[in-house]
Amino acid sequence: EAAVTQSPRNKVAVTGGKVTLSCNQTNNHNNMYWYRQDTGHGLRLIHYSYGAGSTEKGDIPDGYKASRPSQENFSLILELATPSQTSVYFCASGARTGSAETLYFGSGTRLTVL
Amino acid sequence: GDSVTQKQGQVTLSEDDFLFINCTYSTTTYPTLLWYVQYLGQGPQLLLKVTTANNKGISRGFEATYDKGTTSFHLQKASVQESDSAVYFCALALNYAQGLTFGLGTRVSVFP
Repeated sequence: EAAVTQSPRNKVAVTGGKVTLSCNQTNNHNNMYWYRQDTGHGLRLIHYSYGAGSTEKGDIPDGYKASRPSQENFSLILELATPSQTSVYFCASGARTGSAETLYFGSGTRLTVL
Repeated sequence: GDSVTQKQGQVTLSEDDFLFINCTYSTTTYPTLLWYVQYLGQGPQLLLKVTTANNKGISRGFEATYDKGTTSFHLQKASVQESDSAVYFCALALNYAQGLTFGLGTRVSVFP
């Protein structure tokens, strides 16, 4: 069954440290996305990608980098983590169905920055 | 800019109650309107999609309806079950392959 897998499920990091969140999809979808979920803010788009080698800025890209080395893998990188980046992060792959795209989400990574 | 507003933060119901969640949107384009559901410990998953052409979508006992005049769309279910307890998000799909714009989510708790 097609799937989006995120790792790690939970991560505790220190302020100023580097954090890499990984995402792997077996859907063979070109488009992939990183969102963060916070109470009071819903789901907000950080970065997205149209395919291997491409990354685009979403609505809240500051403090984050993204990397798409292959069709299957899409990483989110926090070079200098801050406590404000404590959140639940979701990766998704996207497939066009009719007039719009359906996103398939992973189970999330809970990141705590101390 | 484009936006979607989902004001109901939490809804508490008993089994067999009627569920109604409303969202309003603002955009200059013709959006596709979607409802996602997120169960505890999982990522969101697509529940329903409504286009401006068909006005209505039905899935798993849920019905989504769109009203162009009031730029609103809502989700309803006639008789909820405890298994429907989840967070429900409305979302806009504006431009293909640029992600979705989500509402804040409504936490629905159904008690037996």
